[in-house]
Amino acid sequence: KNQVEQSPQSLIILEGKNCTLQCNYTVSPFSNLRWYKQDTGRGPVSLTIMTFSENTKSNGRYTATLDADTKQSSLHITASQLSDSASYICVVRSSYKLIFGSGTRLLVRP
Amino acid sequence: EAGVAQSPRYKIIEKRQSVAFWCNPISGHATLYWYQQILGQGPKLLIQFQNNGVVDDSQLPKDRFSAERLKGVDSTLKIQPAKLEDSAVYLCASSPTGSGTDTQYFGPGTRLTVL
Repeated sequence: KNQVEQSPQSLIILEGKNCTLQCNYTVSPFSNLRWYKQDTGRGPVSLTIMTFSENTKSNGRYTATLDADTKQSSLHITASQLSDSASYICVVRSSYKLIFGSGTRLLVRP
Repeated sequence: EAGVAQSPRYKIIEKRQSVAFWCNPISGHATLYWYQQILGQGPKLLIQFQNNGVVDDSQLPKDRFSAERLKGVDSTLKIQPAKLEDSAVYLCASSPTGSGTDTQYFGPGTRLTVL
């Protein structure tokens, strides 16, 4: 069964600290993996997309990694800011279908 | 460039009533999606249109939900009659072609509460 599992479910960190969010998937065949940021009351916004051959991709303070062998991805946030408080959703594409994770809810406190 | 527009933003109805949501995608985008997002969960695809044809509606509860995309532009999603478990945020998204690496652009969503 195609599944995307994210951990932790929620996370609280202090402003300025780093954090890493995890995404494990059992999706086949694999096409690509995307991380979205969803602010409260808003629709998701794409942060980065990773294909099979990519190991690391950065977008400002966000760095995504992909290990296609172990079917794991991570999103690392450096020097967190209050505006990073949001839900982060991992989405894996299999052929023409998208499989969404339940998200990690991040709260950055001053 | 204008984003995906949705209305209304909020809707409260009683069970067994009907409700309709409207979506205006980004101009020129061929693919339009409707998602249901229950609190604390990721979005679940309800229906995908390619221009004005349906590509995937396998998870649409067809006994109560219907959607159309007239002239391949705007779309409406209707629920009739609504149930308590339909309380959720309904997200509309669009993408240029619907291909594998296409980015989906989401609207702000409509928050539906069924009492």
